[in-house]
Order: sequence, then structure tokens, then C-alpha cells
Amino acid sequence: NAGVTQTPKFQVLKTGQSMTLQCAQDMNHEYMSWYRQDPGMGLRLIHYSVGAGITDQGEVPNGYNVSRSTTEDFPLRLLSAAPSQTSVYFCASSSGSDYTFGSGTRLTVV
Amino acid sequence: KQEVTQIPAALSVPEGENLVLNCSFTDSAIYNLQWFRQDPGKGLTSLLLIQSSQREQTSGRLNASLDKSSGRSTLYIAASQPGDSATYLCAVYNFNKFYFGSGTKLNVKP
Repeated sequence: NAGVTQTPKFQVLKTGQSMTLQCAQDMNHEYMSWYRQDPGMGLRLIHYSVGAGITDQGEVPNGYNVSRSTTEDFPLRLLSAAPSQTSVYFCASSSGSDYTFGSGTRLTVV
Repeated sequence: KQEVTQIPAALSVPEGENLVLNCSFTDSAIYNLQWFRQDPGKGLTSLLLIQSSQREQTSGRLNASLDKSSGRSTLYIAASQPGDSATYLCAVYNFNKFYFGSGTKLNVKP
């Protein structure tokens, strides 16, 4: 049982490049979400999904896109990376209040 | 907008001490409150979950309290150990969203 798997663990992008952060869970959880963690600011919700085909915006959605074609996967897309998107990104899945977080992707945009 | 504050931002104590971490939130309309532990370079591990109708939860040396009316929670760690060194995050949960505090970084010295 792998839980929540995030790839890659580290990534360096140039300003303007695009990339997709992958998140997969094997717990059959309906709810999945993406957070970013910046120094001194805690975690902030980017986007979330309550089930396949359903997504919604969180607190800081600008610059990010998501889709949920399957229960297992919830990728986060950066269409044109900016230095302000340098952060650590966490994916989480849940069933009710039982949350499982991935180990994070550390993204640097130069 | 829900705001979650954690005090202190950092804490250093000798091994064996009992300690209290504080969390406050501005909107008392919460579904539950959770305390998480985060080790460097790792994801989040849920320590204790308190439903909005509960006053406290205990797990081993950890005890968390919730006073929803005053917007406060405390995490009490008894007989601290060097292995307790980590960042502790408080998060309130409502409507499919977590709102996190910025954390308390705890260092327990041998």
C-alpha cells in the first residue's frame, strides 16, 4: 500500500517553462487536493477535487491547472512557471477526515 | 477568511520537559481541528484529530485540547524526547478545506 505518491521529488524550471506535478493514490479516496508550502506561511490550498471529473479552486489557484480523469490521479499543471511559484508542493487524499499527505515536490523556478 | 496562528514559531527545550504549543483561529465554524507533525524534507503526519463537538484527544504522551468558542487549541507534549524534534502544524478543517498555521519548530535537546 503506497499511499500518496508524488513525482518528481525535486525540479528546477526556467521562467516560462511548463510542467506537470504528478500525484497518485491507491486508497480509493474520492477527495484529493494540492497545497503549497512557503517559508513562514504554512500550507495553502491550490485546487481540490471531490471525485473524478470534479475540481474546484482553493485559496491560491492562479497559475495552476488541474484535472481529475480517474479516482487515482490528480496532476497539477504549471503552464508558464514564474519565480513566485518556487515552493514545496504537497498532494493529499482523504476519506472523510482521514487525510494522507504525499512527501512533497520541491520546485525551484529560476 | 479563516486565519490560523501558532505561537511560538520556534521552541527549544531540554529533554524531559513538558511543553505546550498554542494554536488560535479566527472563525469558530470548523468541522474539526488537527495537529500534524512534519519532519524536514518529509510530508505531514496526522497526530491528533479533534472533532468540533469534542474538547480534547489523547494519544500516548500527546494531548490536544479545543476551545471552539474562544478559537484556541493547545498541544501538550509530556516528557519530551529528542525524537519529538520536528515542526508541528495546526490545521482547522471545514468544507473540504484545511487552513494551516505556519507551525512551531520544536527542538528537544538531549
